[in-house]
Amino acid sequence: DTEVTQTPKHLVMGMTNKKSLKCEQHMGHRAMYWYKQKAKKPPELMFVYSYEKLSINESVPSRFSPECPNSSLLNLHLHALQPEDSALYLCASSPEALAGAYEQYFGPGTRLTVT
Amino acid sequence: GQQLNQSPQSMFIQEGEDVSMNCTSSSIFNTWLWYKQDPGEGPVLLIALYKAGELTSNGRLTAQFGITRKDSFLNISASIPSDVGIYFCALSYNNNDMRFGAGTRLTVKP
Repeated sequence: DTEVTQTPKHLVMGMTNKKSLKCEQHMGHRAMYWYKQKAKKPPELMFVYSYEKLSINESVPSRFSPECPNSSLLNLHLHALQPEDSALYLCASSPEALAGAYEQYFGPGTRLTVT
Repeated sequence: GQQLNQSPQSMFIQEGEDVSMNCTSSSIFNTWLWYKQDPGEGPVLLIALYKAGELTSNGRLTAQFGITRKDSFLNISASIPSDVGIYFCALSYNNNDMRFGAGTRLTVKP
């Protein structure tokens, strides 16, 4: 299995809602990532989990809360979002390495619209 | 901070033409990655480069890691309509932190 899967594919939520994005991989990768991508822009790193521990938080607002229940799953909990948070949210995974770049494999993304 | 410049921003070419795009960085890195993204989808890894001077091919795609370790280019030969999309270079520099170039939007006219 060489896929990263994400659910849901599309999500519309109000500013007072609580929702979660889910990501799963079965490649045995030990690093997992959340990215945010606005239209016509490159993906921007939000969070990195390495061996199920949060290793990077790129100063993301607390209304985004990541969770890594096990080595195959990554969640992003959403609460009290703003319309400007509407974007494509991408999950990725990579084999762990000591240093340098890693080949990251991306899921298809969740298109989030905040109304 | 780290500067990663990708050019050109967009390209409009005729089917069958060759394409070249490149990325330069302000610092030395150990790895360059090239991705393609179709509309509404996640980026797909095309080529990974790990050694200065390395030249790697994947079908009609060829990428090279510059000798100075500060640049890389991606060439697409004999373009076809399905090559349409956005091409990103990417680097990471510590603890899995990866940054993308601004992207090159490719349009192929039949």
